[in-house]
Amino acid sequence: DAGVIQSPRHEVTEMGQEVTLRCKPISGHNSLFWYRQTMMRGLELLIYFNNNVPIDDSGMPEDRFSAKMPNASFSTLKIQPSEPRDSAVYFCASSRTGVGNTEAFFGQGTRLTVV
Amino acid sequence: RKEVEQDPGPFNVPEGATVAFNCTYSNSASQSFFWYRQDCRKEPKLLMSVYSSGNEDGRFTAQLNRASQYISLLIRDSKLSDSATYLCTKGDYKLSFGAGTTVTVRA
Repeated sequence: DAGVIQSPRHEVTEMGQEVTLRCKPISGHNSLFWYRQTMMRGLELLIYFNNNVPIDDSGMPEDRFSAKMPNASFSTLKIQPSEPRDSAVYFCASSRTGVGNTEAFFGQGTRLTVV
Repeated sequence: RKEVEQDPGPFNVPEGATVAFNCTYSNSASQSFFWYRQDCRKEPKLLMSVYSSGNEDGRFTAQLNRASQYISLLIRDSKLSDSATYLCTKGDYKLSFGAGTTVTVRA
């Protein structure tokens, strides 16, 4: 199993540009999470999908952020327009939900720098 | 109030020492909890699960106190390689994480 795959690993972009982060969850997992991690705020949940449907997007900071999951093997997180305060490490994680079985596996993250 | 809260530390301990820290949670309906370990500039990885009264794995012991709504992690005979940030989470549908507790083991 290849694990959760995220791309790109690093992204440097100018303020105002659109940024798209990509995630391929582990095959067979039906839950997908996008997190943002900074020194100041820790690991914040942005959005959670179950069976490709967004269940909870209350963590999405503002309308500049959007996430999609068109199928069980792919998800994107888009920031448009990007701002310097969006600089962070963005993690995607997936899990096989079920009673007592919600261990999440994380991708290696995308380190985003907006200048 | 955040759903999961942790003492950020840092906990600086000598090799061989025992270190313990807690994680408090606000939703008492949670049935399962997890401790994750995150090394610098890496992704979090599962360390231990806590489903009932506790769990032990080698030098690591996790306990759940439902009455006071916290879980704890104890590391015995700490090694240099235990230096990391330890994150706790409730095993509910959206996996809310605490901010993490940083542990540094010194020689």
